[in-house]
Formats: sequence, C-alpha cells, structure tokens
Amino acid sequence: DAGVIQSPRHEVTEMGQEVTLRCKPISGHNSLFWYRQTMMRGLELLIYFNNNVPIDDSGMPEDRFSAKMPNASFSTLKIQPSEPRDSAVYFCASSSRHEQYFGPGTRLTVT
Amino acid sequence: AQSVTQLDSQVPVFEEAPVELRCNYSSSVSVYLFWYVQYPNQGLQLLLKYLSGSTLVKGINGFEAEFNKSQTSFHLRKPSVHISDTAEYFCAVSDLGGGGNKLTFGTGTQLKVEL
Repeated sequence: DAGVIQSPRHEVTEMGQEVTLRCKPISGHNSLFWYRQTMMRGLELLIYFNNNVPIDDSGMPEDRFSAKMPNASFSTLKIQPSEPRDSAVYFCASSSRHEQYFGPGTRLTVT
Repeated sequence: AQSVTQLDSQVPVFEEAPVELRCNYSSSVSVYLFWYVQYPNQGLQLLLKYLSGSTLVKGINGFEAEFNKSQTSFHLRKPSVHISDTAEYFCAVSDLGGGGNKLTFGTGTQLKVEL
C-alpha cells in the first residue's frame, strides 16, 4: 500500500493567493483528517470527514479555509486568500478503525 | 471531553540509557491510547496502541507502554535508546463513544539522544 499521499510536498506562495492542498487517503479507509502543525500551536485538528461527509470543522480557523471530499479517494484543503500566518505544515491522515495513518505533509510558506 | 498531558516537553538522554516518556489522560469514558513518533520533516508514525487486553503493549523499534487505568497514565518506555530514536513523540487518546476515529493529541515530547 502506498500510504496516505499528499501533494504538493512544498508550496511557496504570496500573500493573497489561493492555495490548494491535496490528499489521497489509504484505500478502504472511511475517515479522513486534516491537521496543521506549527511551532507555536503544535498539532491542530482542522476538520475531519466520515464517509466523505464533514463531521467536525470547528478547528477551521477562518472562513478563508475550506475543505472538500468529493469521493472516498480524494480530499482538498483550500486557503483563499492566503496570509503569512497560514505558514505551517499541513498533514492529512486517514483511518478505518482506531488508529490514524498520516501522510508526509505539505510545507506551506506564505510570503 | 478528553485531554492528554505530556509532562515533559524535552527529554535528553545518553545513548544506551533507558528512557520513559510520560503521558496522562483525562476522560469520562473508556479510551483507546496511542503513541506516535515524528522524525524531522516527516509525518507522524504509529509506534503502538492500546485497545484492550494486556495493559503492557509492545510496539516498533523496541518501545513499549503500560496502560494504568487507576493512574490514567500511558507512559512510553525503552530499555536502551539509540541515536536514531531522536524524534518527537506524541501521546493520543480516542474515546470509545466518540464519533468516528477522532484523536486528541498531547503537545509532544522531544527526545534527544546524545552520545
């Protein structure tokens, strides 16, 4: 199994631009999670889906952030417009039962 | 609501010495418990998990953890560490009655193994 796949691995963009992060979960997993990790705030859960349906988006910081899961094998996290304080590593994780399996992350830098 | 406390933000230790990373949790219901490891510039990797049964669980890379319900703890141990164990370690909890497979993570413990 290829594990959780995230793209791009690195993204550098200018303030005000739209950023789209992509995630392909492990086949057969029915839960998908988006996290953000920074030195200041640690690991934060942004949103999670069960069976492609958003269950809890209380961690999404602002309306500038949105996430979709159009099918069981694909999810996106979009930031529009991006700001320097959005700079972080964004992780996607998937799960079928109890434990979560993490992707390698996308390192986002907003200048 | 549940929470996880990792009491030590950093733990320095010499190579081949034993180490214990502490984790305490708070929950009003029965829980599942996990330890994850994060190497630099990588995602989190599952080290071990406690779901039920024996309170002593063994994981990858020689790590083990013991679930203590009365102390609400799930401390991680390794009898002899290696330089390659230098990483950040996260304790996490999931309650049995929660929706989906949501995990609550601790703030992490940075393990630094020195020669």
